[in-house]
Amino acid sequence: QKEVEQNSGPLSVPEGAIASLNCTYSDRGSQSFFWYRQYSGKSPELIMSIYSNGDKEDGRLTAQLNKASQYVSLLIRDSQPSDSATYLCAVTGSNDYKLSFGAGTTVTVRA
Amino acid sequence: GAVVSQHPSRVICKSGTSVKIECRSLDFQATTMFWYRQFPKQSLMLMATSNEGSKATYEQGVEKDKFLINHASLTLSTLTVTSAHPEDSSFYICSATDRRNTGELFFGEGSRLTVL
Repeated sequence: QKEVEQNSGPLSVPEGAIASLNCTYSDRGSQSFFWYRQYSGKSPELIMSIYSNGDKEDGRLTAQLNKASQYVSLLIRDSQPSDSATYLCAVTGSNDYKLSFGAGTTVTVRA
Repeated sequence: GAVVSQHPSRVICKSGTSVKIECRSLDFQATTMFWYRQFPKQSLMLMATSNEGSKATYEQGVEKDKFLINHASLTLSTLTVTSAHPEDSSFYICSATDRRNTGELFFGEGSRLTVL
């Protein structure tokens, strides 16, 4: 059973600050890693994918993957009130592409 | 990006009735579709995986006779909640992968089911 754990929230940050989200996973053979954003009452939306060790930047978002430590993170720079949402970490397994989701971290950006 | 459409977005039904939810991939062929359920303030729980033309694979604890899944074509999967009860009230979300098989999921808008 794949396990994905995220840092417990909620996380409250002031507008303009950096929000840091962490995720660890148990399956050492996991191949693909995703971050989804979910607004209340809505379905998840993919905001970042990362497949190899290192950093991946996309606008104000930076994902970091360290397969040796089984750790993936997401940084949101210059946080905006519109970034307030629940962020879900998702990981595929070593034998299939079925996604396992973490419980999510709720981020609130204070204006 | 790929678009997945889910219908209906909200449904209210009486206890004991059946409800069908449709999930369509609009601009790609979905080789695999997944059905998730999400209770308030909880994460997504995978219910079943369906591949076009074959029987769905259900996760442990999910009753296949209660949650009927049909994946008749590469663009359509349906979930039927049979003999619904109030405890089945939840947010049901479908998702699909395309032939790239990278694990990336495209989600439908979700269907909020309320059973009275």
